[in-house]
Amino acid sequence: GAVVSQHPSRVICKSGTSVKIECRSLDFQATTMFWYRQFPKQSLMLMATSNEGSKATYEQGVEKDKFLINHASLTLSTLTVTSAHPEDSSFYICSAALDGPRIGAQYFGPGTRLLVL
Amino acid sequence: KQEVTQIPAALSVPEGENLVLNCSFTDSAIYNLQWFRQDPGKGLTSLLLIQSSQREQTSGRLNASLDKSSGRSTLYIAASQPGDSATYLCAVRRDDKIIFGKGTRLHILP
Repeated sequence: GAVVSQHPSRVICKSGTSVKIECRSLDFQATTMFWYRQFPKQSLMLMATSNEGSKATYEQGVEKDKFLINHASLTLSTLTVTSAHPEDSSFYICSAALDGPRIGAQYFGPGTRLLVL
Repeated sequence: KQEVTQIPAALSVPEGENLVLNCSFTDSAIYNLQWFRQDPGKGLTSLLLIQSSQREQTSGRLNASLDKSSGRSTLYIAASQPGDSATYLCAVRRDDKIIFGKGTRLHILP
């Protein structure tokens, strides 16, 4: 089946630094990738939709200048949390959508746990 | 605005029992509904995907049903095992957006 990887799986950083999270589709091409955030005991919330070669579409309330998304190729999207603060500590999950007619086939990465001190 | 609700929020049952998890959604115009499993601190594992034209899907001890008109789905787990302990998330998709419920935390007692 389709596999999506994320790197790193866990990161601890100091407040004010920037953190980059990579999302890769390993065995398929994904024109669209999605970034979610999950706070403890909360549901996953969509942050942005990332399309290869174009600007990401951000959900309401998500700061595009703070959460920079780059979808440079059909297999890689990156999320950069700029000037991270403790309130950005969360679990970040990406998913990738298969091309073709299989509507609804989204595959999720294993997630990245970010802790900002 | 689509809202997804899962009941109960938490559930503890003895090993071997059959159980049902419930999911409801407010907007019936969906492409599909998906059930996921999430272990603590881990990512999501897709369990079952039901397209809007389907009424149910089965995989092993799991059976998921979909009643789109009433905005309801159930996940049935037969002969529960301790390894089934996890959080189960229901999610509906329309266009490119997936809306998740808050999940049901399931604990199977050995």
